[in-house]
Amino acid sequence: SQQGEEDPQALSIQEGENATMNCSYKTSINNLQWYRQNSGRGLVHLILIRSNEREKHSGRLRVTLDTSKKSSSLLITASRAADTASYFCATAFSGNTGKLIFGQGTTLQVKP
Amino acid sequence: NAGVTQTPKFQVLKTGQSMTLQCAQDMNHEYMSWYRQDPGMGLRLIHYSVGAGITDQGEVPNGYNVSRSTTEDFPLRLLSAAPSQTSVYFCASSSRDRVKLFFGSGTQLSVL
Repeated sequence: SQQGEEDPQALSIQEGENATMNCSYKTSINNLQWYRQNSGRGLVHLILIRSNEREKHSGRLRVTLDTSKKSSSLLITASRAADTASYFCATAFSGNTGKLIFGQGTTLQVKP
Repeated sequence: NAGVTQTPKFQVLKTGQSMTLQCAQDMNHEYMSWYRQDPGMGLRLIHYSVGAGITDQGEVPNGYNVSRSTTEDFPLRLLSAAPSQTSVYFCASSSRDRVKLFFGSGTQLSVL
């Protein structure tokens, strides 16, 4: 089964609101990454948080990591219509096995 | 700088046919991987490579072969195509530490 499980599967908000999506995983990780996919395109890396970090910021993005609960959240503040996309978390297993496993994704729709 | 190049973009096969999906990167990345993306399933790892001459299985390797004779190229071979292999295939690469994957634009494969 997949390492990352994301919640919610779909999210619809108005422009200017904040969007929060969550990712849970099952085993110890080295890092957790978030990616964005616009319809019909490849994925684009957004942000990475390492297992010894609790929070990171990048522009309007805020990522948290709780290794005790094996979960992460991605917050997009002041959302824009251009943020409409699917968002995926990906986990790199501890022990450097080479596997980077993706969750099922959250589809975000931001209405103008 | 081309990044990760996948060919072809679209392909239709008949059941039992074989074919090779091509992936090339020009960033001197050691890590390369293949994913398939199906509706509602997110991305699933097929095979990956941590360097020339080294490959390993991901989550869903059955029915696929890979090889890594050079750093730049990582072809994915379908030995005997089945309708269950209808999917969008993405190739991705990164430096050895896998902190940021770069994705190709994908190959949409239909097996009839």
